[in-house]
Amino acid sequence: AQKVTQAQTEISVVEKEDVTLDCVYETRDTTYYLFWYKQPPSGELVFLIRRNSFDEQNEISGRYSWNFQKSTSSFNFTITASQVVDSAVYFCALSEAGANNLFFGTGTRLTVIP
Amino acid sequence: GAVVSQHPSWVICKSGTSVKIECRSLDFQATTMFWYRQFPKQSLMLMATSNEGSKATYEQGVEKDKFLINHASLTLSTLTVTSAHPEDSSFYICSARRTEGTEAFFGQGTRLTVV
Repeated sequence: AQKVTQAQTEISVVEKEDVTLDCVYETRDTTYYLFWYKQPPSGELVFLIRRNSFDEQNEISGRYSWNFQKSTSSFNFTITASQVVDSAVYFCALSEAGANNLFFGTGTRLTVIP
Repeated sequence: GAVVSQHPSWVICKSGTSVKIECRSLDFQATTMFWYRQFPKQSLMLMATSNEGSKATYEQGVEKDKFLINHASLTLSTLTVTSAHPEDSSFYICSARRTEGTEAFFGQGTRLTVV
C-alpha cells in the first residue's frame, strides 16, 4: 500500500531563514512519481515539482530545492531565505504507475514570520 | 502551468437542495479528472476519479448517489451534491491531468456551506 508521511505538522521560521520540509513515502512499485504542492490561504493547490522514481537528481529552482533519496524513501523540500509569501500548507504526494490518483500526505503548515 | 477553472468558488445552500460544481481544463485535454474533499486543517481526501465518457470510480465510503460526477468531455467534469446536508459543508477541489504520471493541476476549490 502506498503511504506519504509528513511528520512536521506546523513549522514557524523567521524571514530569511532556511527551512526544510520532510516527506517520507512508502510504495511497493518500482515506478512511481513524487510531487510537491503549495496551498496558500486562498485554497488553490499550486504545483511545484514532479519527480519520477528513476531520476534521483536533486533539483533547484530559485529558492526552492528538492532532495530525493530512494535509499531512505524521502523527498525533502528546502526553501532558502524564506519569505512571508512562502507561508502556506505544503503537501507531498505520491502516484504509482498504473494508478490514477495522487495520494497526499497530511501537509505541513509553514509560517514565515516577518 | 496548465489552467484548471473551478466554479463556483463558494456557495451557500439550504439543506435538502442540490449544488453543482464545475471543473474545466482551459488549455489542455484532461483524460482524467479527480474530485477531492478537504476538511479544515486536513489533507485532501480523494472522493472519485472520472475518465471522459465513462462512469466515475468512487473511493470507499463515498456515496455515489449523493455525489454525482459527470465527465462529459475532455475539458469538463461536474460534481453534484444532491440533497445537501450541513455535514456536506466542506472545501471541494477538482484536479485534471493529461495522462498518467503527469502532474495534476488543481482548480481554485469550492467552499460549500449548507445551512
